[in-house]
Amino acid sequence: GDSVTQMEGPVTLSEEAFLTINCTYTATGYPSLFWYVQYPGEGLQLLLKATKADDKGSNKGFEATYRKETTSFHLEKGSVQVSDSAVYFCALSPYNTDKLIFGTGTRLQVFP
Amino acid sequence: EAQVTQNPRYLITVTGKKLTVTCSQNMNHEYMSWYRQDPGLGLRQIYYSMNVEVTDKGDVPEGYKVSRKEKRNFPLILESPSPNQTSLYFCASSLYGDSSYNEQFFGPGTRLTVL
Repeated sequence: GDSVTQMEGPVTLSEEAFLTINCTYTATGYPSLFWYVQYPGEGLQLLLKATKADDKGSNKGFEATYRKETTSFHLEKGSVQVSDSAVYFCALSPYNTDKLIFGTGTRLQVFP
Repeated sequence: EAQVTQNPRYLITVTGKKLTVTCSQNMNHEYMSWYRQDPGLGLRQIYYSMNVEVTDKGDVPEGYKVSRKEKRNFPLILESPSPNQTSLYFCASSLYGDSSYNEQFFGPGTRLTVL
């Protein structure tokens, strides 16, 4: 079945470092891809999404590109801040469905 | 303020004691769902509802019930909780069900411990 695999954390970085969190997926057809962020003590918030191959989603300095050839949707940010410390979830939604399939989450810790 | 609210936020209970976790949204969304979040497993869908009086099982429905009598409310019922239902629970809603075009909004979570 459809699934999402993302790198295990925690990812520990210093402020202003470059961030990459890897995400790969297995799906039939053309799913939509998402990154959600969960700040401490809060629910998940949509960070960015891409609905077709080669689309780039971006928000708050984060970006991810839908790569169908490598079935990947890696999250990147050029310069992280302490306030970016959170858990990041990669997710997919099979085409034309209501279903969201989540990865296991990656905790990011950014130190000053 | 547009939001999804859940109550209670924290609950400690004992095996077999029936409980209900409430979920309410004020965005007039048709689609609502419940997830549980467990370490190493991410979020898994328990039940979902496409509209009033329409509910269906997600990936892990065993031991749970839901109802959707009004559009805004979607309570999660554990008739006889067991320790393996200790988890962090999230309610979510979206305008319609198609996740590609309808952002799901999540509540703040309910941390349940079953002793």
